[in-house]
Amino acid sequence: DAGVTQSPTHLIKTRGQQVTLRCSPKSGHDTVSWYQQALGQGPQFIFQYYEEEERQRGNFPDRFSGHQFPNYSSELNVNALLLGDSALYLCASSFGQGTNYGYTFGSGTRLTVV
Amino acid sequence: EDQVTQSPEALRLQEGESSSLNCSYTVSGLRGLFWYRQDPGKGPEFLFTLYSAGEEKEKERLKATLTKKESFLHITAPKPEDSATYLCAVMDSSYKLIFGSGTRLLVRP
Repeated sequence: DAGVTQSPTHLIKTRGQQVTLRCSPKSGHDTVSWYQQALGQGPQFIFQYYEEEERQRGNFPDRFSGHQFPNYSSELNVNALLLGDSALYLCASSFGQGTNYGYTFGSGTRLTVV
Repeated sequence: EDQVTQSPEALRLQEGESSSLNCSYTVSGLRGLFWYRQDPGKGPEFLFTLYSAGEEKEKERLKATLTKKESFLHITAPKPEDSATYLCAVMDSSYKLIFGSGTRLLVRP
């Protein structure tokens, strides 16, 4: 049973560029959340999607946007990249609110902004 | 403000040397406290969920406990393969996870 799949695994971008990261949730899951994890830190919540709508959002600027498709997969878009956006971006999925098992995480996309 | 603090930041143990990791938290409307394990370059892997003070859960050499303000992850007779970063997270009233910065555990043979 495939877990959460993220692509690409690594990415190098230049300041000011735009990037799109992709996530396929675990089979049977309908909710997707995105987290940013800086080196040596815990993951920080970006936003969560359910039924193709953004259900809630963390303290991230509007440069961060997302989308959820009818098959529950999701994209994270970041515009006008800054050096500080360099991080591991994690996608997590759950069925509903995920209260029993938290979320299932993918292996992440390592984004480096130069 | 909801907050999770983990200590120590790093811990070095000899194989077989038991110890505990601490997670203290402040959150409004706790819906659960979660422990995850994270290996380098990987996403967090679910270990335990605890819901109420006094609750305990075990898995192999790991045991998690919960009080009203903190949780402990006890590691009994650790092995080198237990080396990883252990993350604690609380689920708040809006169902999002708030993570601590983690404890990096190194178990030497």
